[in-house]
Amino acid sequence: VQLVQSGAEMKKSGSSVKVSCKTSGGTFSSYSINWVRQAPGQGLEWMGSFIPIVDEVNYAQRFEGRVTFGADRSSTTAYMELSSLKSEDTAVYFCARDGGAAIAHAFDIWGQGTVVTVSS
Amino acid sequence: DIQMTQSPSTLSASVGDRVTITCRASQNINNWLAWYQQKPGKAPNLLIYKASSLESGVPSRFSGSGSGTEFTLTINSLQPDDFVTYYCQHYNRLPLMYTFGQGTKVEI
Repeated sequence: VQLVQSGAEMKKSGSSVKVSCKTSGGTFSSYSINWVRQAPGQGLEWMGSFIPIVDEVNYAQRFEGRVTFGADRSSTTAYMELSSLKSEDTAVYFCARDGGAAIAHAFDIWGQGTVVTVSS
Repeated sequence: DIQMTQSPSTLSASVGDRVTITCRASQNINNWLAWYQQKPGKAPNLLIYKASSLESGVPSRFSGSGSGTEFTLTINSLQPDDFVTYYCQHYNRLPLMYTFGQGTKVEI
């Protein structure tokens, strides 16, 4: 199983961006897909979790109201939409699979990352 | 919320050295801790889960230990490829939350 993300995006402040994450070589299962971002030169920040087969979402508090997770089951693609973009949202956005209880919910498969650049 | 504090932020070492990175939790997290390695421009890669279990395919020079509030990642005999950044991560079930440490850059 691989996670393949959509390409780089350049956006204006105040607009929205939608990043996709395709499950390649497998199907959606009960595993959750998580979104993690990394601003330039900074650490990793968890944005939230989504279980596609049951549409269960959990958003990190600081993104609540501004982020939406979803999926197209027919194409086994999950997506993350972030609205009201600010320059501080400039970052690399990763999707990552929570490998489940067997590995204590660590993230065992990651997408390659999508660069999102926000300018005024 | 549980805070994860990683130290040091930067670590200077040489090829062949043994190094230790520490991750401290603000409260007892049992062994819900993972370690990742991140190379520049790449996604993180899982090294250790459940505090001390080595992920399949990861070299045995990497090891993890600890439980409760203090955890360590040890790299024995540093290889040139190991001079990158490492992160700890805590999984919290309720409320669901994953918290990363600030990262440790291992440099020559």
